[in-house]
Amino acid sequence: GAVVSQHPSWVICKSGTSVKIECRSLDFQATTMFWYRQFPKQSLMLMATSNEGSKATYEQGVEKDKFLINHASLTLSTLTVTSAHPEDSSFYICSAPNQNTEAFFGQGTRLTVV
Amino acid sequence: GQSLEQPSEVTAVEGAIVQINCTYQTSGFYGLSWYQQHDGGAPTFLSYNALDGLEETGRFSSFLSRSDSYGYLLLQELQMKDSASYFCAVHGSGNTGKLIFGQGTTLQVKP
Repeated sequence: GAVVSQHPSWVICKSGTSVKIECRSLDFQATTMFWYRQFPKQSLMLMATSNEGSKATYEQGVEKDKFLINHASLTLSTLTVTSAHPEDSSFYICSAPNQNTEAFFGQGTRLTVV
Repeated sequence: GQSLEQPSEVTAVEGAIVQINCTYQTSGFYGLSWYQQHDGGAPTFLSYNALDGLEETGRFSSFLSRSDSYGYLLLQELQMKDSASYFCAVHGSGNTGKLIFGQGTTLQVKP
């Protein structure tokens, strides 16, 4: 099956700093990728749709200035958590659809803000 | 708005059969998928239903009734490794690959 690689798998950062998370489709092109956030024991909440070559589409309640998304190529989308605070600590995970029926997920990034 | 409901927890013994139900209410619908997620891991795809009926993949089967806005995942011959969270997810209209996930069902398989 298709492979989506997400990096880093975990990161600890200080409050007020920014963190960039990368999501790469390794063996297929993804014009669209999706970013989710998951708190412990909870569901995956869609944050935004990353569109190659255009602006991301954010879900209601997600601050676009805080969660910057860039999709500069057909194989790479990045999520930058700006001015991170402890409440941003979560599991962030990207996905890319393959033929739109099956989503391939990255390994996820566990962000801890101290 | 969009909402999906599934039981929060299910417990079963090895070798048994378990059914996890999912009802949904969405503004657009293209299909229903099921994903498995082990603690700390990424979700992995199990099945996809776009049309009414049963889809079988090995020990796992998934059913969809669009008229009832209802689906289920059936796991047979349960194994300890099946202990995980299971999520149903709706594909919105337009088939963009965008998924809206249910709250997840934690399945615990006991010896």
